[in-house]
Amino acid sequence: GAVVSQHPSRVICKSGTSVKIECRSLDFQATTMFWYRQFPKQSLMLMATSNEGSKATYEQGVEKDKFLINHASLTLSTLTVTSAHPEDSSFYICSARTGTFATNEKLFFGSGTQLSVL
Amino acid sequence: AQKITQTQPGMFVQEKEAVTLDCTYDTSDPSYGLFWYKQPSSGEMIFLIYQGSYDQQNATEGRYSLNFQKARKSANLVISASQLGDSAMYFCAMSREGYQKVTFGTGTKLQVIP
Repeated sequence: GAVVSQHPSRVICKSGTSVKIECRSLDFQATTMFWYRQFPKQSLMLMATSNEGSKATYEQGVEKDKFLINHASLTLSTLTVTSAHPEDSSFYICSARTGTFATNEKLFFGSGTQLSVL
Repeated sequence: AQKITQTQPGMFVQEKEAVTLDCTYDTSDPSYGLFWYKQPSSGEMIFLIYQGSYDQQNATEGRYSLNFQKARKSANLVISASQLGDSAMYFCAMSREGYQKVTFGTGTKLQVIP
């Protein structure tokens, strides 16, 4: 099946620094990727939709200046958490869709990144 | 707006037994898709099964089957012959046709007992 690679899997940083998370589709082209955030024992919350070659679409309440998304190619999307603070500590996970809605639609996920801001 | 409800925060099942994880949804869209994902303690989300709203037959993928009851707006996941490796969080999700967003339920933690 399709593979989505996410890196790093775990990062610890100091408050005020920026952290970049990469999401790659390894064996398919993903014109659209999605970034989710998950707090412990909670569901996934969509943060933004990343479209190749255009600006990301952010969900209501998500600060676009804090969570910078770049989708420079059909296989790579990056999420940069700028000036990270302890409240940004969370599990971040990306995903990409394959196929069309009508044909056995699948949404594949990366392995996630656990961000801890000290 | 779409809403997914998973009323079972936790479930236990004996190894080799079958288990049903409940999922109900609410939508006014005529066409939509329903998904189930497994999230083990390592964190990755593993796609299990997909059901389109116009599919006549219930979806099956190996030991996983989706009991789709459109009139009741339910999409329960049935896992047959449970294995210890099935212990994980399970999320029900849905997507509206033509739209990119996927809405997730709150999840059910399944624990398989030897």
